[in-house]
Amino acid sequence: NAGVTQTPKFQVLKTGQSMTLQCAQDMNHNSMYWYRQDPGMGLRLIYYSASEGTTDKGEVPNGYNVSRLNKREFSLRLESAAPSQTSVYFCASSGTGVSTEAFFGQGTRLTVV
Amino acid sequence: GQSLEQPSEVTAVEGAIVQINCTYQTSGFYGLSWYQQHDGGAPTFLSYNALDGLEETGRFSSFLSRSDSYGYLLLQELQMKDSASYFCADHTDKLIFGTGTRLQVFP
Repeated sequence: NAGVTQTPKFQVLKTGQSMTLQCAQDMNHNSMYWYRQDPGMGLRLIYYSASEGTTDKGEVPNGYNVSRLNKREFSLRLESAAPSQTSVYFCASSGTGVSTEAFFGQGTRLTVV
Repeated sequence: GQSLEQPSEVTAVEGAIVQINCTYQTSGFYGLSWYQQHDGGAPTFLSYNALDGLEETGRFSSFLSRSDSYGYLLLQELQMKDSASYFCADHTDKLIFGTGTRLQVFP
């Protein structure tokens, strides 16, 4: 049982380049999330999807777009990367109901130079 | 909106007890979760409180007081491996995390 799988694990981009971070979960969860975590900081929600076909902005959505491709997959796209987007990105998923725990992917370490 | 505040750092020695506090401001609050994150790793779920009172899971306990908009995580019999960051989280509208508390356990 793989849980939540993110790709890639590491990425270096030049300013202005674009890329898509992929996330897939195999737990049949409805909700999926993208977070960024800067050094020594907490997890800030970028976008989330409460169910297939829906997406909503989180705390820091500017500069990002998302796609909930199907129930399993939720991708995050940076259209024109900026140094301020250098961070560790985590994808997470959770089942229906507010008490269900969230499961996280292993993270993507992104550096924009 | 949702916001959760935590102390930035807590230190303790092995075998001791430590409490990590979390205050929140959320309309229609559902409940409070706690997550642990080791350096370089992903967050992992520890506990969830939907009702007021104490929930115990082994060496870790979590408490919630809705009237005070406050909760805490209690870690007993501290071990070196408990050195990590701890986050409270609110799942009311969307899953929002607190500012995080870095726990350092010394021998």
